Amino acid sequence: GAVVSQHPSWVICKSGTSVKIECRSLDFQATTMFWYRQFPKQSLMLMATSNEGSKATYEQGVEKDKFLINHASLTLSTLTVTSAHPEDSSFYICSARVLSPSYGYTFGSGTRLTVV
Amino acid sequence: GEDVEQSLFLSVREGDSSVINCTYTDSSSTYLYWYKQEPGAGLQLLTYIFSNMDMKQDQRLTVLLNKKDKHLSLRIADTQTGDSAIYFCAEYGKGGGNKLTFGTGTQLKVEL
Repeated sequence: GAVVSQHPSWVICKSGTSVKIECRSLDFQATTMFWYRQFPKQSLMLMATSNEGSKATYEQGVEKDKFLINHASLTLSTLTVTSAHPEDSSFYICSARVLSPSYGYTFGSGTRLTVV
Repeated sequence: GEDVEQSLFLSVREGDSSVINCTYTDSSSTYLYWYKQEPGAGLQLLTYIFSNMDMKQDQRLTVLLNKKDKHLSLRIADTQTGDSAIYFCAEYGKGGGNKLTFGTGTQLKVEL
């Protein structure tokens, strides 16, 4: 149980275009989801906290207008990278907390974004 | 310090034990986790420990917590080649919040 499905797993796009990444909780409801960014051989950096039915909370230094987050239902959160540029190339991972902290956070399989 | 610190790299032989160390930042963090990340994949929860525990054992995994020193360790017994991955510790509840703060990650390489 407690599976988070993330799509796509890999995407290449041209500079200036937008890319949407989906994160779905398959067998539980997630009122809160988290979006992380990971650079090669580095740790995960929290970008924003996605709250169902309300605005996302962004971490300091993360551009809200570039990384649009929508959490319209209890099972789906999306991250749209707008007007992507090569420096946005990275590994993006979503996660959701399951029931209580003792269950940990379950993570999606990640999306490798390459902007050319 | 402000960062959750881990050693960058650890190499062990198959069959040996591996010990991955982590120094976290906030003694009020309530839960501490260990995650495993294989190349190009998301994170897999391995185990967790509540802050009022000293030790937790789960099959080949043993977690030790020294709350006074804010030191966490993960011991993997009888390490196998399939254990090769990056291991992240994470603290929950730093500063009274509800977020996970990840360590810098330790790459474990298991050699034959």
